[in-house]
Amino acid sequence: AQSVTQPDIHITVSEGASLELRCNYSYGATPYLFWYVQSPGQGLQLLLKYFSGDTLVQGIKGFEAEFKRSQSSFNLRKPSVHWSDAAEYFCAVGHTGGGNKLTFGTGTQLKVEL
Amino acid sequence: DAGVTQSPTHLIKTRGQQVTLRCSPKSGHDTVSWYQQALGQGPQFIFQYYEEEERQRGNFPDRFSGHQFPNYSSELNVNALLLGDSALYLCASSLAGDETQYFGPGTRLLVL
Repeated sequence: AQSVTQPDIHITVSEGASLELRCNYSYGATPYLFWYVQSPGQGLQLLLKYFSGDTLVQGIKGFEAEFKRSQSSFNLRKPSVHWSDAAEYFCAVGHTGGGNKLTFGTGTQLKVEL
Repeated sequence: DAGVTQSPTHLIKTRGQQVTLRCSPKSGHDTVSWYQQALGQGPQFIFQYYEEEERQRGNFPDRFSGHQFPNYSSELNVNALLLGDSALYLCASSLAGDETQYFGPGTRLLVL
């Protein structure tokens, strides 16, 4: 069965520091991969997605992610974090082949220290 | 261009009652998915509607049912509410053939 693991429940970084959030997935075929961000009490906003092609994908708000098939990973990165980036981040895998339900990880809560 | 909208934003019910949540998809989208997000957890897939039919279903009991209307809007119904149904219910819309889902702000349901 498909699954997504986000090993870091909480991460704290200083403003201006670089950020990497880890995501590992288990899926039998080539996955569709997504990163979403959720601010407190809000819905999910799509940051970026990977379907195929270039394994380094760019998203909104200066985020990028790299798909590594050999490691079953899709880590999210940002070179310089802003205080407004504090939120919860979810990695998700989409199911190919008819219907596109998403399986989410448990999320990583990002705190930014000023 | 309006995004995904959901109503109501908050709801309080008591055990055993029934609830209906509503979702209007993003303009041009024809597929609606519903997710349940318990506190501190990632969203869990409930079901997906396309062409007014339930196309996929997650591991949720029959107390959870839905409907999609000709204008692509959707309802989620939950019968015989349990305390454990307290959660944020998220609606997401997409266009058939595109795997990208866009989420609404959610409905926060509290069951007492």
